[in-house]
Amino acid sequence: QLPLQESSPGLVKPSETLSLTCTVSGGSIFSSNYYWGWIRQSPGKGLEWIGSIDYRGSAYYTPSLRSRVNISVDTSKNQFSLNLKSVTAADTAVYYCARPLTPNTVLRGVIWAFWGQGTLVSVSS
Amino acid sequence: DIQMTQSPSSLSASERDRVTITCRASQTISTYVNWYQVKKGRAPKLLIYGASSLHGGVPSRFSGSGSGTDFTLTISSLQPEDFATYYCQQSFSLPPTFGQGTTVEI
Repeated sequence: QLPLQESSPGLVKPSETLSLTCTVSGGSIFSSNYYWGWIRQSPGKGLEWIGSIDYRGSAYYTPSLRSRVNISVDTSKNQFSLNLKSVTAADTAVYYCARPLTPNTVLRGVIWAFWGQGTLVSVSS
Repeated sequence: DIQMTQSPSSLSASERDRVTITCRASQTISTYVNWYQVKKGRAPKLLIYGASSLHGGVPSRFSGSGSGTDFTLTISSLQPEDFATYYCQQSFSLPPTFGQGTTVEI
């Protein structure tokens, strides 16, 4: 098991920035070159990959969110973070952090084997 | 983006039933398909990867098959703990995309 735990900001106001952190326990974030990811599930909708980052800070984002999203890594704290700016009600979702089964998989073959339990973020004034 | 179309969107079943969920990709993706089980308030669980490989610790009543564009997840004998929502996911190319989910209800 590789416990992953998302922070829980809860409520974010429209037009503000959603900020989440994932803390990795039971293993070092830079022990192998995994691409750590953020995935969300909006109410009544399916899962959506947001983006992934490795310990060096090399990041990939889904095209539909690329203009608003930034993912960063803090190896000293064994954490990686998600910032999503200019949020609207459509960004209300359960946000998960996750790690693939094997390292160096991001362009092809990514298998999400380890997940946090998710945190609900609501966008509302 | 590659679209993954799952069917059905929901189904009702009983304990010990055989359940089949299908997923169709909008283009050929070899065997780059994974299946997940999601329960509310819990971490999603990887069941099958590479279309047919059972992830460690997953009961053998779960199986996957398919290649190209058509894929199937089968639960051979439904157990009470299997009532959940199931998602397929393609990992052939970025961005990785998921099906819309199939909710298995009692």
